[in-house]
Amino acid sequence: QKEVEQNSGPLSVPEGAIASLNCTYSDRGSQSFFWYRQYSGKSPELIMFIYSNGDKEDGRFTAQLNKASQYVSLLIRDSQPSDSATYLCAVNLFQGAQKLVFGQGTRLTINP
Amino acid sequence: SAVISQKPSRDICQRGTSLTIQCQVDSQVTMMFWYRQQPGQSLTLIATANQGSEATYESGFVIDKFPISRPNLTFSTLTVSNMSPEDSSIYLCSVEDQDRNSYEQYFGPGTRLTVT
Repeated sequence: QKEVEQNSGPLSVPEGAIASLNCTYSDRGSQSFFWYRQYSGKSPELIMFIYSNGDKEDGRFTAQLNKASQYVSLLIRDSQPSDSATYLCAVNLFQGAQKLVFGQGTRLTINP
Repeated sequence: SAVISQKPSRDICQRGTSLTIQCQVDSQVTMMFWYRQQPGQSLTLIATANQGSEATYESGFVIDKFPISRPNLTFSTLTVSNMSPEDSSIYLCSVEDQDRNSYEQYFGPGTRLTVT
């Protein structure tokens, strides 16, 4: 089992709809969870982080964390064509020293 | 967050040669990280570089192939040695956000390496 798993997509969503991106992780001891957005040819950009169970909202983005189910998600409301990118889920693992483990990423396309 | 720059932004190299990638940060940071992103793949951590100590390498990565220097709190280098076409990747450095005392990492723009 991979440490961090995402559906690679592609996920296609119409403009204005809600895009839902999901991620599961294997290490129950994980404490920190991150969502990065990566445009083609660019480096990853941190857009959300969450440490506690529940929802965290920032503008059109909502991160949701359920540690019991080892599940973290990212919702994008009112999706825009500029949201088209690959979204990477990352989990901070404490394995002697802290390190980030990334999922394979979900490619999201917003259709005008 | 810190401003991170990398040099070179891209390079095309011949197999058997070595390339040193530089990462410069505009503020002092304790931990710097080096990642590799192979074509169409996600990010894989190569090593963690702390100032004043040897870099810590992840499974599958060795110092002879990827020597790292960390001479001060704002700079690090990664060398890709004795390159083969399989080393063609994007190499990224990242730093933790020291001000927030959190584990958020921010990435430099990356170095796109092609080995022929």
